[in-house]
Amino acid sequence: DVKVTQSSRYLVKRTGEKVFLECVQDMDHENMFWYRQDPGLGLRLIYFSYDVKMKEKGDIPEGYSVSREKKERFSLILESASTNQTSMYLCASSWGTSGYEQYFGPGTRLTVT
Amino acid sequence: GENVEQHPSTLSVQEGDSAVIKCTYSDSASNYFPWYKQELGKGPQLIIDIRSNVGEKKDQRIAVTLNKTAKHFSLHITETQPEDSAVYFCAATIGGSQGNLIFGKGTKLSVKP
Repeated sequence: DVKVTQSSRYLVKRTGEKVFLECVQDMDHENMFWYRQDPGLGLRLIYFSYDVKMKEKGDIPEGYSVSREKKERFSLILESASTNQTSMYLCASSWGTSGYEQYFGPGTRLTVT
Repeated sequence: GENVEQHPSTLSVQEGDSAVIKCTYSDSASNYFPWYKQELGKGPQLIIDIRSNVGEKKDQRIAVTLNKTAKHFSLHITETQPEDSAVYFCAATIGGSQGNLIFGKGTKLSVKP
């Protein structure tokens, strides 16, 4: 079974802190994604990566950055957390150009106070 | 930009009844349409998908239909059970991308015993 793990299920941070969310997949997938999930808004793409050291902006990249130093790991970074970044963060991965199915991790619920 | 509209946002049915969720998409280049189920506290999980060269696909109590001309696709769940209660998301690929998905806003399905 494909497994996507996220470093924390719940996280509470203060405004202005630097926050790291880690995601690891064990199926050698080329593609990795970070989404944000908010009630009534569905899943919105923050950043994605097709390969190591490669990143592309999604629909809502402002206030976020990413890092992909190894194929299996994709990190989401909040440089200076703000209260409007309180949300559920979901990581996903998929095969290359022909495998569209995305496998999701369990999510990290981040609260910024 | 491209978008996916999903209806209804909430759906309540009696156990044993059928449930239908409908989505429309705007990108004529979309060619892959997955449906995800998200249970409380978990990440979304793929339950069924369909590619643009197929009009219908069935897996036990779940079926998906696709009308490319009208740009809409639907999820059908027959003989619903309480464990079908969850949030369901439809999605469509963004044309020209390497499998990037755009998601509907979700449907909360409640199956009453």
